[in-house]
Amino acid sequence: DAGVIQSPRHEVTEMGQEVTLRCKPISGHNSLFWYRQTMMRGLELLIYFNNNVPIDDSGMPEDRFSAKMPNASFSTLKIQPSEPRDSAVYFCASSSGLRNNEQFFGPGTRLTVL
Amino acid sequence: AQSVAQPEDQVNVAEGNPLTVKCTYSVSGNPYLFWYVQYPNRGLQFLLKYITGDNLVKGSYGFEAEFNKSQTSFHLKKPSALVSDSALYFCAVRDGSNYQLIWGAGTKLIIKP
Repeated sequence: DAGVIQSPRHEVTEMGQEVTLRCKPISGHNSLFWYRQTMMRGLELLIYFNNNVPIDDSGMPEDRFSAKMPNASFSTLKIQPSEPRDSAVYFCASSSGLRNNEQFFGPGTRLTVL
Repeated sequence: AQSVAQPEDQVNVAEGNPLTVKCTYSVSGNPYLFWYVQYPNRGLQFLLKYITGDNLVKGSYGFEAEFNKSQTSFHLKKPSALVSDSALYFCAVRDGSNYQLIWGAGTKLIIKP
């Protein structure tokens, strides 16, 4: 298995632009998580899905952030409009449905908003 | 409320010496405990987990962790450190009621030759 796939790996954009991050979870996994990592705030859970349904989006910073999971093999995290404080590494992770199973992380997308 | 504490921001160990990275937790029910490692510019990698059973859990790369219910701890250990073990280590806990992990702040492990 190729593991969790994220694209792009790096994104540099200007303030106000729309940014879309993409994630393909491991085949057969039915839980998907979006995280943000910064030096100041560490690792933060933004939102997670189970069976393509958003379960908890309380970590989404504000309305500029939105996430979708249209099917079991694809998810997007969108920021519109982007701001410099959104600069971070964004990770996608997936796991199988059992609560005691570990999460598998993608390589991350490093976002820089100028 | 659930929480995880990694009391040390950084741990320095000489190569060949044993290492310990500390983690304490607080959950309302039975804990599911995890350790992950992050190398520079990489995603987090799963090392080991405790769900139930033997309190000593063995994982990848020679790491092990000991679950101590009375002390609510799950410290990560390795008998002999390697320079290549230098990385950022995260402890995480989940209670039995949801899918969400609660993450510690991370401990930077530096192994000196």
